Amino acid sequence: QQQVKQSPQSLIVQKGGISIINCAYENTAFDYFPWYQQFPGKGPALLIAIRPDVSEKKEGRFTISFNKSAKQFSLHIMDSQPGDSATYFCAASLSGNEKLTFGTGTRLTIIP
Amino acid sequence: ETGVTQTPRHLVMGMTNKKSLKCEQHLGHNAMYWYKQSAKKPLELMFVYSLEERVENNSVPSRFSPECPNSSHLFLHLHTLQPEDSALYLCASSLSGGGDTQYFGPGTRLTVL
Repeated sequence: QQQVKQSPQSLIVQKGGISIINCAYENTAFDYFPWYQQFPGKGPALLIAIRPDVSEKKEGRFTISFNKSAKQFSLHIMDSQPGDSATYFCAASLSGNEKLTFGTGTRLTIIP
Repeated sequence: ETGVTQTPRHLVMGMTNKKSLKCEQHLGHNAMYWYKQSAKKPLELMFVYSLEERVENNSVPSRFSPECPNSSHLFLHLHTLQPEDSALYLCASSLSGGGDTQYFGPGTRLTVL
């Protein structure tokens, strides 16, 4: 069964700190790895995504680190803010395939 | 309204009821999706429609019946549901069905009594 394992399930970080969420995948054919952010009462929204031809992608305070040999990728949120408090989902898919395989989600809380 | 809208936002139904969930996308996309979101579980893809044709049916019980009359509208017809079907049902759309970014609606919170 194709799976994406996500950890931790919940995370509390102080304002200004670094939030790190990790995901591991099994299918070596996956070649698209997005992260989605979901606020209460809203659907998930694409935050940032990476393809395995690069090891890192940065957009503002959000960075994806990708380790192809370990089949792992992670989301780093620098200078975490209370507005970043949300549930984050990693996902993986094959290019040209509409099916996203999601992780179980991480509930992130940023405290002042 | 813009983006992906879903109605109703909340629904409570008995096991013998028949109800429908509605999704509408205003993005000019050609692919639409139904997902089930349960607590502490990954989002589960239920159905995918591309250009109004169903291209994916992820072993979903027949008590869930999708309908896609055109590329902007997607329905999920519900009948004789079970309490374990209680969840957040999310609709999404993408430009095509081939790995483009999926845009999600806010979901319908379904409770089956």
